[in-house]
Amino acid sequence: EDQVTQSPEALRLQEGESSSLNCSYTVSGLRGLFWYRQDPGKGPEFLFTLYSAGEEKEKERLKATLTKKESFLHITAPKPEDSATYLCAVRPLGNRDDKIIFGKGTRLHILP
Amino acid sequence: DTGVSQDPRHKITKRGQNVTFRCDPISEHNRLYWYRQTLGQGPEFLTYFQNEAQLEKSRLLSDRFSAERPKGSFSTLEIQRTEQGDSAMYLCASSLLRSGRITYEQYFGPGTRLTVT
Repeated sequence: EDQVTQSPEALRLQEGESSSLNCSYTVSGLRGLFWYRQDPGKGPEFLFTLYSAGEEKEKERLKATLTKKESFLHITAPKPEDSATYLCAVRPLGNRDDKIIFGKGTRLHILP
Repeated sequence: DTGVSQDPRHKITKRGQNVTFRCDPISEHNRLYWYRQTLGQGPEFLTYFQNEAQLEKSRLLSDRFSAERPKGSFSTLEIQRTEQGDSAMYLCASSLLRSGRITYEQYFGPGTRLTVT
């Protein structure tokens, strides 16, 4: 069964303290891996798509990387406004129904 | 605003009542999805449309749930005879599928928070 597991469930960092969030996945094949940011009471906001192992994408203080089994979201020198839940999702290869499968997310809290 | 919009943003209803939610996708997007999200969980797929055709329904979508996308534009999700277990955030997303370049990013709306009392 296709599955996405994110760790840690929650992470508290001091402002400026860099860290990484993990997303491990089990799928028969990967069509794409996605990172979203979700603020409380709002819908997920698209951040990145990664298609193949070795690929990297960057946006401001965020950098996403992909291997054959997992993805990392690196956050460099975070600010309090980076506090949110970060969701990872995958679209399995050969999945005709086009749905994406989400993990439960990592709740990130940046302390000023 | 050219993003995905949903209406209403919040709905409180009594058990047994019917509710209907609306989603307006990004205007040029031909695919529209519905997801459900409960506290502490990621969104779970419910159903999706390509233009006006409903192509897939999750087993989560009981026969009390029905979705439509007339004319391939906005979509509605109706829940009949609501139960307390239906309380959740209902999210709509859209994407563009076009020949020559396939991308799979889905863009989400703000969601409708349903509370069944």
